[in-house]
Amino acid sequence: QLLLRESGPGLVNLSETLSLTCTVSAGSISDYYWNWIRQPPGKGLEWLGHIHYSGGTNYNPALKSRVTISVDTSKNQFSLKLSSVTAADTAVYYCARGLGGCGGDCYISWGPGTTVIVSS
Amino acid sequence: DIQMTQSPSTLSASVGDRVTITCRASQSIGTWLAWYQQKPGKAPKLLIYKASTLETGVPSRFSGSGSGTEFTLTISSLQPEDFATYYCQQYNSYSRTFGQGTKVEIK
Repeated sequence: QLLLRESGPGLVNLSETLSLTCTVSAGSISDYYWNWIRQPPGKGLEWLGHIHYSGGTNYNPALKSRVTISVDTSKNQFSLKLSSVTAADTAVYYCARGLGGCGGDCYISWGPGTTVIVSS
Repeated sequence: DIQMTQSPSTLSASVGDRVTITCRASQSIGTWLAWYQQKPGKAPKLLIYKASTLETGVPSRFSGSGSGTEFTLTISSLQPEDFATYYCQQYNSYSRTFGQGTKVEIK
């Protein structure tokens, strides 16, 4: 059973860069698509982007100028950077693995989520 | 972006009820649709993909149907553990988008 866990600062200052890492265990990152999804308090889900283990990326057009996702196969990790954060970026951030049956575009394994608050 | 609209936003039902949630896409997405269940404080759980394919381990009381722009998630006999929020998600377009969610409450 693949396990994912998000880690990173729970508080980020306004206009700075949010950085999170997802560590994959009980399995290899060297397959599939790896995603970041967020959920503002009391609201719905927003897909941020994904990366293939080979390094290819695809980002949500609404956030494309601010999002960077990278992968480190040697550490079985992938990471999210979101620049120039505002209060609207306050959310629970999830990492998730894409399901092959959906071409990687629906999400079968999720981390427990990590709360990030943007502070002024 | 393709907009996904779920109805109703909230649904009150009793154990044993048949429950149907609708998801409409702003343009045709074929059958590139998934459904998730989310309980408070937990990550979403994949129930159905490709509109009607049940993910392994998901109870058979859950079913999905539809194509194009209109889709439904049906729970044939609601169980106590099914009270949760349900989201649809399209993966037809470059940007994947979710519906706003439907909360299934105890009546």
